[in-house]
Amino acid sequence: DAGVIQSPRHEVTEMGQEVTLRCKPISGHNSLFWYRQTMMRGLELLIYFNNNVPIDDSGMPEDRFSAKMPNASFSTLKIQPSEPRDSAVYFCASRSYREMNTEAFFGQGTRLTVV
Amino acid sequence: KQEVTQIPAALSVPEGENLVLNCSFTDSAIYNLQWFRQDPGKGLTSLLLIQSSQREQTSGRLNASLDKSSGRSTLYIAASQPGDSATYLCAVKTIFNKFYFGSGTKLNVKP
Repeated sequence: DAGVIQSPRHEVTEMGQEVTLRCKPISGHNSLFWYRQTMMRGLELLIYFNNNVPIDDSGMPEDRFSAKMPNASFSTLKIQPSEPRDSAVYFCASRSYREMNTEAFFGQGTRLTVV
Repeated sequence: KQEVTQIPAALSVPEGENLVLNCSFTDSAIYNLQWFRQDPGKGLTSLLLIQSSQREQTSGRLNASLDKSSGRSTLYIAASQPGDSATYLCAVKTIFNKFYFGSGTKLNVKP
């Protein structure tokens, strides 16, 4: 397996624009997590899905953020409209929910810069 | 809410030295604890996973211990090498399938 795949790797956008980050989890994994990493706040959990269903989105900072998982092999995190304070590295991770004590695997991240 | 703390925030050691990184968490009701390595500008690489019922796990020069009752874990790196330079993060998994991360320890191993 190629691991968790995120795209794009880097994104630079202007304030006010819509940004869509994409994630392909490891095949067979049915839990998917979106994290945001900044120097100030470290790694923060934004939202996670089990079996394509959002379970906990309490970490989503504002209504400008939304996430979807239309099927087991794809998820998106959308920011609309984007703001400079959204600049961060966004990570997607997946694991197998059926087995409670398994490792989580992370993608390489998307570095977002909003100017 | 689970709080995870890592000490020290940064560590610089000469090559060959053995070292210990610390991780503490406030709620002992965890399923497991995972140590990750992050290189600059890169993603997270899983190093070791310790189940809540285990006391330690070993992989090569790495040894991780877990004392759930006291809310502590350590990552021991033997005979450190310059290639070990990275940020090391610990994360605890709660019963709600959520991972909480520490802020990391930035390790620099000098040749």
